[in-house]
This record gives sequence, C-alpha cells and structure tokens, in this order.
Amino acid sequence: QKEVEQNSGPLSVPEGAIASLNCTYSDRGSQSFFWYRQYSGKSPELIMSIYSNGDKEDGRFTAQLNKASQYVSLLIRDSQPSDSATYLCAVNTPTDSWGKLQFGAGTQVVVTP
Amino acid sequence: GAVVSQHPSRVICKSGTSVKIECRSLDFQATTMFWYRQFPKKSLMLMATSNEGSKATYEQGVEKDKFLINHASLTLSTLTVTSAHPEDSSFYICSAGDTGTSGGYEQYFGPGTRLTVT
Repeated sequence: QKEVEQNSGPLSVPEGAIASLNCTYSDRGSQSFFWYRQYSGKSPELIMSIYSNGDKEDGRFTAQLNKASQYVSLLIRDSQPSDSATYLCAVNTPTDSWGKLQFGAGTQVVVTP
Repeated sequence: GAVVSQHPSRVICKSGTSVKIECRSLDFQATTMFWYRQFPKKSLMLMATSNEGSKATYEQGVEKDKFLINHASLTLSTLTVTSAHPEDSSFYICSAGDTGTSGGYEQYFGPGTRLTVT
C-alpha cells in the first residue's frame, strides 16, 4: 500500500514567519512530487512541482526533496493571512497508471495576524 | 498553468435522477483526465482515470455502473452520477495533465462541482 503522510495540523504561523510543511512517502520509486494549496470549499491549486533532489524556489515558496530519506517539504516565507489553507502533498510513481497521483491528507495552515 | 473548467459548479437534484458533470481542458489536449470526490474536511479520493477513446479505469470500491465516465474527445470528459442518492452528495473535482515549465507532467484541477441530492 503506497502511502503519503502529512501532519494534519493545524499549523499555526504568525504573520511574516516561515511555515514549514513536511511530507513523507513510502514508495522509493516515486519520481514526481507536487504541492497543492486548497482553500476551504475550493479545488486544489498546483503551487510547486519538484523532480530532483535539492531545493526549488518560486517566489515565497521553496520545495525541498530528499529521495534518499523519502521526504519532500514546503517552506512558505513571509507568511500572509492569505496563505491560510490546506496544503496537499502529492506523489507520482511510474508503477502507477500514467499521471496518477497519491495524495496525502493535507496539512492545515493558519496564519495569524 | 493549464486551465481546466467544470460545469456545472453547483447542482441540486432529486433522489433517483441522474446528473452529468462536464470537465474541459481549455488550452491543452488531455488524453487522460481524473475524477475525484471529496467529502467535507476529508482528503481527495480518486474515483477513476478517464482515458480518451477507451474505457475508464475505476478505483477499487467505485461502482462503474453508477458513475459513468465518457472521454469522447481530447478536451472533454463527462461524469454521470446515475440514480443519485443523498449519500452521493459531495464535491466532485476533475483534473487533467499537461507538461509544465519544468518539463514534467503536472496535473491541474477544475473548480469542482458541488452535488446535493435531496
């Protein structure tokens, strides 16, 4: 059973601080990793994709991937109240049908003014 | 990123009737689309993979005769909930994939359809 694990939260972050979200996955053959943001009542929005070990930065977001340790993380710098949402980690494994993603349950982030 | 639309955004139907939900990729072609459902405060659940020109692949426990999927073109997939019952009330979301700026396959979600069965 392939698993993607995230802390459910809520993760409370003061405005302006760094939010750090973690995700671990069980299938060592996984190759593509994604972070989605989902506001309450809305559908998920892709915010980051990462495919190789190391860091990838996009604006205030940084994704970090460590395949040896089987974890992927997301940092949100200078957190804003608008960042309050549930963040979903998703993983694609080649042995799955093409394009299929395994999702974690999500981490709820609450940014407090 | 790529744009995926869904229609309708909300639908209320009576128990026993059928409801069709459309999912369109607006600026790219998608040979594969995915259908999910999500209950309040729960995680996404993949229902099926929709393949253009062939039968859909359903996840374990999803009734294929109840949730009919048709992927007739490279930009349109439909999900029909047949003989809907109140327990089918949920948030249905489709997604489609496209090659992202990193060169990898990325999946983009439609805005979702909130189904209420009375």
